[in-house]
Amino acid sequence: ETGVTQSPTHLIKTRGQQVTLRCSSQSGHNTVSWYQQALGQGPQFIFQYYREEENGRGNFPPRFSGLQFPNYSSELNVNALELDDSALYLCASSLGQVSNTEAFFGQGTRLTVV
Amino acid sequence: LAKTTQPISMDSYEGQEVNITCSHNNIATNDYITWYQQFPSQGPRFIIQGYKTKVTNEVASLFIPADRKSSTLSLPRVSLSDTAVYYCLVGDGGQNFVFGPGTRLSVLP
Repeated sequence: ETGVTQSPTHLIKTRGQQVTLRCSSQSGHNTVSWYQQALGQGPQFIFQYYREEENGRGNFPPRFSGLQFPNYSSELNVNALELDDSALYLCASSLGQVSNTEAFFGQGTRLTVV
Repeated sequence: LAKTTQPISMDSYEGQEVNITCSHNNIATNDYITWYQQFPSQGPRFIIQGYKTKVTNEVASLFIPADRKSSTLSLPRVSLSDTAVYYCLVGDGGQNFVFGPGTRLSVLP
């Protein structure tokens, strides 16, 4: 049990729709990162938020956007869904920069786009 | 961008020691080396992190040579429940990890 909670756990959307995924970070953690994991592959970094500001972004188009709230919880929004967006979406919370500290991952949200 | 190379898969038997080696030739001076374990349909779980030489915790050891261009995760006396995908990661000098495909470890009875 990591203390990182993601909702919903599963979701089915139609191509072209928009989706919002939510993440409650571990208490005291000020950094949240989001990852996309396609079946059989490693997680791919989408972006990271530190104290409500985006401070790093991977190779994802602008239709992937996010927010971090004052309580450090976070949202991932994806517009104009495509079939290839079907994946497990993971959020990770940490105290400070993810690459130099232990990150705690949630169980993920399984998104299926049909 | 620091990338890693690991074996795609490994097999072992219960009770054996397993060593998984990772290459990271472009590791930056300030980067740490971190290993995660992932079971199907779950998020990755932190195993161990190090910068140089050797680090040991209750579940694993991490060996890092002086040039830091590779690292070896050592799992002592594996059990069936250690069957999982293991990821070696290094910071890319910025704010995020670069996950490769990982090593799929199968522990056989």
